[in-house]
Parts: sequence; C-alpha cells; structure tokens
Amino acid sequence: AQSVTQPDIHITVSEGASLELRCNYSYGATPYLFWYVQSPGQGLQLLLKYFSGDTLVQGIKGFEAEFKRSQSSFNLRKPSVHWSDAAEYFCAVGAQQAGTALIFGKGTTLSVSS
Amino acid sequence: NAGVTQTPKFRILKIGQSMTLQCTQDMNHNYMYWYRQDPGMGLKLIYYSVGAGITDKGEVPNGYNVSRSTTEDFPLRLELAAPSQTSVYFCASSPQLTNYGYTFGSGTRLTVV
Repeated sequence: AQSVTQPDIHITVSEGASLELRCNYSYGATPYLFWYVQSPGQGLQLLLKYFSGDTLVQGIKGFEAEFKRSQSSFNLRKPSVHWSDAAEYFCAVGAQQAGTALIFGKGTTLSVSS
Repeated sequence: NAGVTQTPKFRILKIGQSMTLQCTQDMNHNYMYWYRQDPGMGLKLIYYSVGAGITDKGEVPNGYNVSRSTTEDFPLRLELAAPSQTSVYFCASSPQLTNYGYTFGSGTRLTVV
C-alpha cells in the first residue's frame, strides 16, 4: 500500500539548535517527494521537492532534505532553528503520472523553545 | 495574484443542512483537489479533477459531491451535513502532473452541530 509515515508527532527544539524531521514512504512507482509547512490557521506552503538527480535538495527558509532510496526516507533538516519555524510539517509523496494526487503523512508539530 | 481562493473561511452548519464550499484559482491550473484535515490525521483526499468536466473520487468521498464546469472553479458540495464532516477543508491546484507540487488555499473550517 502507498503511504507516508512521519514517526514523530511532536518535536521540541531549542532556538538555534539543529532540526531533523523524519519521513518514510512506501510507494510502488518512482516517488516524487515534497515537504510542506503549515502555520497555525494557514494553508500549506511548499518548502521543497525532490524529483530526480541530486539527492540533497534545498528549499525555502533555509531547509534542506535528503532522499535515501535504500531507506525509503526523505528527512527534512535545518542547521539552526528560529522561533518562527514553529509550525506543522507534512511530508508527501506522489507519482509522475498526470492526475494522481499526493499522499500526505500525518504531520509533525514543531515547537521551538527559547 | 490571488492563487487559490476559498470561501467561506468559517461556517457552522446544523445536522442535515447542506452547503457549498467554493474554490477558485486564477493560475490556469488543470488539476484541482479537495482535502480534509483532521487533527493528527494529516490530509485525506476527497475528490480531484484533472480538467473541466472531469472529476474523480479520492480516499474519503462519501457525503460529498463536486463539479468542474470551468478551469477556474471547483466547488465542493455537502449534502445532509453530519458531525463527522466537522473538519478543515483545503482546496489545492497544480498546473500539470504532480511534480510541481500544489498551491493550497487558506482553508475552510467547518463545524457541524
């Protein structure tokens, strides 16, 4: 079955510390992978995406993610977290084929402590 | 430069009432989607459309209907609202395939009492 697993429901990180959010997927075809961020009361904003090529992709707001095919993972990282990064983060997987929709994980809520 | 616009932002319905959630995009995107978001459950696909006149069911279509008469508009209809439909609803669009990712609307928070 196609699925996305985000093992951590809630993570708290000190401001200035590094961050890693985990994402594992199960997908039959070559996956297209995405990370979205949702601030409270807002819609989802695309942080970054991976289609092919370099397995380390850079996104907005200083985030990056690494695709590891052997581990079926696409973990999101940031070297130094800012208080404004507190939000909910969603990993998603999709296919190349036209008309197929994204499958989302259940999300990880990030809290930032001072 | 509106992107994806959803109306209303908030709505309270009584059990058995009906309503339409509006979604409009001005980016000439072919693909449009409706998701619902429940706490701790992520986003689940209700319906999607690959172009005007073409719609298809997603993971959780029961209790909902959609239409796509134009490229811009993709309304979601709730008939006979039930408490289980209390949720936040997001509309999204993408220009082609899935590889560009979605542009999301800001959501409609619906409560059925």
